[in-house]
Amino acid sequence: EVVLTQSPATLSLSPGERATLSCRASQSVSSSYLAWYQQKPGQAPRLLIYGAFTRATGTPDRFSGSGSGTDFTLTISRLEPEDFAVYYCQQFGGSPLYSFGQGTKLEIK
Amino acid sequence: QVQLQESGPGLVKPSQTLSLTCSVSGDSISSGNYYGSWIRQPAGKELEWIGRISTSGSTNYNPSLKSRVIMSADTSKNQFSLTLSAVTAADTAVYYCARWRRSFEDWGRGTLVTVSS
Repeated sequence: EVVLTQSPATLSLSPGERATLSCRASQSVSSSYLAWYQQKPGQAPRLLIYGAFTRATGTPDRFSGSGSGTDFTLTISRLEPEDFAVYYCQQFGGSPLYSFGQGTKLEIK
Repeated sequence: QVQLQESGPGLVKPSQTLSLTCSVSGDSISSGNYYGSWIRQPAGKELEWIGRISTSGSTNYNPSLKSRVIMSADTSKNQFSLTLSAVTAADTAVYYCARWRRSFEDWGRGTLVTVSS
């Protein structure tokens, strides 16, 4: 079973600061199938990054993804007020076929 | 633009069967190389993948739910469906349908299903 562990669970920052979110896999994950999603209260998740570092259509360039193997990172270079939300990483190809991390809540400090 | 919409009962009794439908607009479910999936999220908790169905009708399920899940597709209605049998309170969640190619690119808005007598 591929388990994705995200850290920190909660990140308290101010607008304009840089955010670094971590996703660690219990076994190696193909970079082609590592994605990041943003979820706001009462809404469905929204795809931000796929293939570990490719921004989805409409994702601002302040969002960037990096990493390989078992360690992946989502970086938000300068936080905007609309960026405060919960972020999930997700993998494909392990067992179960898809799994999500438990999420990182990015809150306003 | 592709849109997905979940529909189905919002309340299901324990031990009964949960049935949901995902209606897709803006693209045919029988075209393209993508999968339709169901994903659920209990209140305040993380996302859990339930299963997927291909454009050809082949399915894959989460091993933790496999014994209770069936997914199907109706290409004439451009819909795919989920049935989850023998539900308990632990199945109470918001259920999302989503379309996957290299990632879950498109999502429905979700529908809350509560299991309660």
